[in-house]
Amino acid sequence: AQSVAQPEDQVNVAEGNPLTVKCTYSVSGNPYLFWYVQYPNRGLQFLLKYITGDNLVKGSYGFEAEFNKSQTSFHLKKPSALVSDSALYFCAVRAPFSGGYNKLIFGAGTRLAVHP
Amino acid sequence: DAGVTQSPTHLIKTRGQQVTLRCSPKSGHDTVSWYQQALGQGPQFIFQYYEEEERQRGNFPDRFSGHQFPNYSSELNVNALLLGDSALYLCASSHDPTDITQETQYFGPGTRLLVL
Repeated sequence: AQSVAQPEDQVNVAEGNPLTVKCTYSVSGNPYLFWYVQYPNRGLQFLLKYITGDNLVKGSYGFEAEFNKSQTSFHLKKPSALVSDSALYFCAVRAPFSGGYNKLIFGAGTRLAVHP
Repeated sequence: DAGVTQSPTHLIKTRGQQVTLRCSPKSGHDTVSWYQQALGQGPQFIFQYYEEEERQRGNFPDRFSGHQFPNYSSELNVNALLLGDSALYLCASSHDPTDITQETQYFGPGTRLLVL
């Protein structure tokens, strides 16, 4: 069965410091991986995705993520955190060959708190 | 260019009632997926519509049904509401599900449903 794990309920980081939000996945075959961010009372905003190619993916707002096949991980990173990055972050996976359809399976989310 | 829109933003119903939620996809998108996000959890896939047909369905009972119109907009209907149906309902749109390298789901702001 396909699944996504976000092992940390909350990540706290000081403004200006680097941040990492962790994600591991379980899927048969090569995965398609996504990160979304959710601000209070808002829908999900797409940050970045890995489909194939370079393991380091760059996305919106200075975020990037590194795909590591051997560790089945797709951690979200940013070199210098901003207070405005404080939000709920979701990792999602789509299994290939799932009938050609694009059902996303989400993790439980990680709340990022950036302190001034 | 308008993104994904959903209506209403909030809704309060009582147990046993029926509810209809609406979604208009992003311009150029032809596929609509619906997700349920319970409090403190990640979104869970309900179903996906393409060419006015349900293409894939998650683990939700038949009380959850949907429809897609020729203009690609969609409705989610929930019958015989239960307290446990209280959640944020998210609509996501995308284009060309058979071309996964181009596919990204973009989410609307959601409809928050409270069942009393």
